[in-house]
Amino acid sequence: DVQLLESGGGLVKSGGSLRLSCAASGFTFSMSGLSWVRQAPGKGLEWLSSISSGYEIFYADSVKGRFTISRDDSNNTLYLQLSSLRAEDTATYYCAKRMGKYFEYWGQGTQVTVSS
Amino acid sequence: YVVTQPPSVSVAPGKTASIACGGNNIGSRAVHWYQQKSGRAPLLVIYLDSDRPSGIPERFSGSNSGNTATLTISSVEAGDEADYYCLVWDRDSDHWVFGGGTKLTVL
Repeated sequence: DVQLLESGGGLVKSGGSLRLSCAASGFTFSMSGLSWVRQAPGKGLEWLSSISSGYEIFYADSVKGRFTISRDDSNNTLYLQLSSLRAEDTATYYCAKRMGKYFEYWGQGTQVTVSS
Repeated sequence: YVVTQPPSVSVAPGKTASIACGGNNIGSRAVHWYQQKSGRAPLLVIYLDSDRPSGIPERFSGSNSGNTATLTISSVEAGDEADYYCLVWDRDSDHWVFGGGTKLTVL
């Protein structure tokens, strides 16, 4: 079975940094596109970033220049480096496995809280 | 690219619920649908306009034409109460776009 397990969330001060991890299993990680999606409290889903199996990377305008996506195919792990964090970055962050142009499987999420 | 959903839809048990996802010529794009129950991660219920993943009941179906894609849930059950989101890939920007979500209430 496909499993995605996020970690690394927590409480951080405004302007701070955090690195999220997503450990994957149950599929051929190196051949899969992966993405990060977040959900602020009481709000909808927001796509943040995607990385293809060929390391092609895309970012939403809201996080470009502040967040960095990366992957370690040797350890089946996806990362999201969060920098210059703001209160509005407070959210649950999900990693997702892509299939073509949609998100096939999702992790359970990790909570990030940015305090001012 | 912007996609819009009604904030809420209400339906009685056993009836049919239709949730719309509107966008300019959305019929030319592939639309995918997610169900999110309270406190849970999103679950894919429809992909590529009308395909159902394994394990999703046949009561869930999708269509897409013109400026509106629609998720239809027939014979609605109490357990279908959730937020539903549509997703579209914007080929012009290589960005993914979610609709704002629709809260389905089963009366």
